[in-house]
Amino acid sequence: EVQLVESGGGLVQPGGSLRLSCTASGFTFSNYAMHWVRQAPGKGLEHISSILGNGGTTSYAESVKGRFTISRDNSKNTLYLQMGSLRPEDTAVYHCARVFIATGGRAFDIWGQGTKVTVSS
Amino acid sequence: DIQMTQSPSSLSASVGDRLTITCRTSQSISSYLNWYQEKPGKAPKLLIYGASRLQSGVPSRFSGGGSGTDFTLTISSLQPEDFATYSCQQSYSFPWTFGHGTKVEIK
Repeated sequence: EVQLVESGGGLVQPGGSLRLSCTASGFTFSNYAMHWVRQAPGKGLEHISSILGNGGTTSYAESVKGRFTISRDNSKNTLYLQMGSLRPEDTAVYHCARVFIATGGRAFDIWGQGTKVTVSS
Repeated sequence: DIQMTQSPSSLSASVGDRLTITCRTSQSISSYLNWYQEKPGKAPKLLIYGASRLQSGVPSRFSGGGSGTDFTLTISSLQPEDFATYSCQQSYSFPWTFGHGTKVEIK
């Protein structure tokens, strides 16, 4: 079964750090670009970061640039999000997602259920 | 960033109803528009990609249309399992921004 499972969320104080993991199974992980998407309480989905299959190119939304780092270990089928200088507004459920590319479009076809991050003192 | 305006933000409907949700983008995105279904505690589910292409395994009562800046998601006959939140997303340019969602509730 094709699956993504996130872990590493929790309660952290403002200014703190946290590393999220996303473990993939059921597909050739290195063949796919991977992304992180978050959803704050009562808000819509927010796309925050992406990384190509070979890990060579990364991108970040302005809201997390300079504070978060995306990476991957294809030998472990795992995607990471290192989060630093955390703020209360980073409180959200964080999902990893796989990119699906087909004729006529590209989208997130496989998502994890998410891991909750709460930034509070 | 490309801004997404989705409407309505919520609606009440009955089983069997036909409903349409709209999504407007702040600039032309060709057909790089996707629709997702969200349910609490579950991973979002891709319904439509490329504005009108049905994702494998998604029932044919779901359909999408539009191009440029104006898009629609239509459910032809609402089923009990369709009560959920629906969000549009552009995949034309990074970041792939989302609409704020349309919550479909039981009337």
